[in-house]
Amino acid sequence: QKEVEQNSGPLSVPEGAIASLNCTYSDRGSQSFFWYRQYSGKSPELIMSIYSNGDKEDGRFTAQLNKASQYVSLLIRDSQPSDSATYLCAVRNTGGFKTIFGAGTRLFVKA
Amino acid sequence: EAGVAQSPRYKIIEKRQSVAFWCNPISGHATLYWYQQILGQGPKLLIQFQNNGVVDDSQLPKDRFSAERLKGVDSTLKIQPAKLEDSAVYLCASSLEGGFGEKLFFGSGTQLSVL
Repeated sequence: QKEVEQNSGPLSVPEGAIASLNCTYSDRGSQSFFWYRQYSGKSPELIMSIYSNGDKEDGRFTAQLNKASQYVSLLIRDSQPSDSATYLCAVRNTGGFKTIFGAGTRLFVKA
Repeated sequence: EAGVAQSPRYKIIEKRQSVAFWCNPISGHATLYWYQQILGQGPKLLIQFQNNGVVDDSQLPKDRFSAERLKGVDSTLKIQPAKLEDSAVYLCASSLEGGFGEKLFFGSGTQLSVL
């Protein structure tokens, strides 16, 4: 079992729609969860972090965390073509020493 | 604020040759990370430094990879000898103290092609 699992996609949504990206993790003791966006040929950049169960909203982005189900998600509302990128789920492991990344989900937003 | 600096940006070598990558983290950042990202995969942690000490190098292929962080600032990652499967982007990242909630700041990466 991979430590952080994501559907590789591609996920294709029309402009203006809601994009839903999902991630599961295996280390039950993990406490920190992150979503990074990576444009083709570029480095990852942080867009959201979440530490507590529930929802966290930042502009058009909402991160959701369910520790009991070991599940993290990212919702992007009013998707724009500029949101087309690979979204990496990252988890800080028990003890907080290592940040482990999933393989990423490719998102395409069609104009 | 200057970001994480990496060089070179691209490197093409033949298998069995050696190569070195350099990273300068954001000023004041105690924690430095080297990740390997193979095309189509997520970044994989190779080594993590806290100041100039190694926190984790469990996934570093130590028979061919080595890394050092001089005086707790700059870092160099070396591969000797390189194999075809080492073709990847090597990402350097830094964070303030390596705490559980900290975000990572990434450099632009070095794209390595081993022929």
